[in-house]
Amino acid sequence: DAGITQSPRHKVTETGTPVTLRCHQTENHRYMYWYRQDPGHGLRLIHYSYGVKDTDKGEVSDGYSVSRSKTEDFLLTLESATSSQTSVYFCAIRDGIGAYEQYFGPGTRLTVT
Amino acid sequence: DQQVKQNSPSLSVQEGRISILNCDYTNSMFDYFLWYKKYPAEGPTFLISISSIKDKNEDGRFTVFLNKSAKHLSLHIVPSQPGDSAVYFCAARTSGNTPLVFGKGTRLSVIA
Repeated sequence: DAGITQSPRHKVTETGTPVTLRCHQTENHRYMYWYRQDPGHGLRLIHYSYGVKDTDKGEVSDGYSVSRSKTEDFLLTLESATSSQTSVYFCAIRDGIGAYEQYFGPGTRLTVT
Repeated sequence: DQQVKQNSPSLSVQEGRISILNCDYTNSMFDYFLWYKKYPAEGPTFLISISSIKDKNEDGRFTVFLNKSAKHLSLHIVPSQPGDSAVYFCAARTSGNTPLVFGKGTRLSVIA
């Protein structure tokens, strides 16, 4: 199994509060991704990173920001959480050397009340 | 606009029979396709993939078929087992280092 951890695994927060989710990898992979999974929508890409300090937007990036200051950590921040951001968030990694498979972390269940 | 479509939200199959999960795509630039399996409360796990230069890839009980002219791929599981009950996601990518695009998933239930 790829060495990916996500923290926290569960979080309940109130509308309007900032929230940061962390993805940590021990594989030294170049690419990291944040997805959200919602019923009826599958997996949708929020943001991704192709190297330290190199990030780009995905399909559903509004309301989210990311940072990657070192290879192993990719942070997802909800500046002011809304109820529509209640979801399960998955981080994924890929080494980028010939392989196209992405490997996913265990997920973070976020509830915004 | 959805580039990867899994039109069946759910599928129920008897143990020992064949499970066929379908996926359609609209982007002719996709050159690599993958299937992921997801159990509740876990992250998706990679199952099998196929390059656009092939029409079939097999790995044990799992076979993926690609029909480029129809922009259609399918995952066959033979024989189906209760442990195969999960949500299956189809994914695709274009060349370069673009992220994967996922379908909405199909929930497979294998009944003993």
